[in-house]
Amino acid sequence: DGGITQSPKYLFRKEGQNVTLSCEQNLNHDAMYWYRQDPGQGLRLIYYSQIVNDFQKGDIAEGYSVSREKKESFPLTVTSAQKNPTAFYLCASSSQPSSGGQYFGPGTRLTVL
Amino acid sequence: DAKTTQPNSMESNEEEPVHLPCNHSTISGTDYIHWYRQLPSQGPEYVIHGLTSNVNNRMASLAIAEDRKSSTLILHRATLRDAAVYYCIQGSYNAGNMLTFGGGTRLMVKP
Repeated sequence: DGGITQSPKYLFRKEGQNVTLSCEQNLNHDAMYWYRQDPGQGLRLIYYSQIVNDFQKGDIAEGYSVSREKKESFPLTVTSAQKNPTAFYLCASSSQPSSGGQYFGPGTRLTVL
Repeated sequence: DAKTTQPNSMESNEEEPVHLPCNHSTISGTDYIHWYRQLPSQGPEYVIHGLTSNVNNRMASLAIAEDRKSSTLILHRATLRDAAVYYCIQGSYNAGNMLTFGGGTRLMVKP
C-alpha cells in the first residue's frame, strides 16, 4: 500500500537534546512538507522540499533543520534551539506540480521534559 | 496568516446535510480552494478541492461562489464519523502547492 509513515508515534526527550523525526513516503511524490500543530490550533509550516537536495523554510523554521537526500525521505531535526518543541508534528507529501491534495502521515507527538 | 475565515464550530444532526462555509475574499485567479478534515490525534485528510466550478466526489461536494470569494463544503448526510475539524485553505498552484492552515471549523454531529 502506498502512503506516508512517520515514526515513532510518541517521542519523549529531555530538554537540551536534539531529536530527529522520521518521514518516509512511497507515493513517488516530489514535494514533502513538515508542519507543527499545537493543541487547538491549525497547522503551521516548518520546512518544505519540492525536489531532492533542495528545501525552503516555512513560517516557523527557527530551531529546526531538515535534509532531503532521497526522494522518499524527509527527516526533521528538532534542535535544542527550538524554545517550545513539545507539539504534534505532521509530515505530508504531494505530487509536483499539483493542484491536488497533500497526503499526510499519522504524525509524531513529541514531548520534551 | 491564514487567508480564509471559517466559523469556529458547527453542530449537525446525524443523517442530515451539513453546509460548512468559508470566506476567501483575497483569492487570486490561480488559487485553488482546498478542504481537509482532521480527526483527533490524526493527520489531516484531503476532502476536496476546486478552482471555479462546483465539484463532487465520494466524500463531499464543493460549491464555489461565482465571484470565488466564498465557498461551501457540503456533506450530504452527516455521520458520527464526520465529526472532525474541517479546514478551508486557499492554495496557490504556482507556489509549490503551499497550503496555509487556519483554525478550521469543528463539526459536531449529534446522534
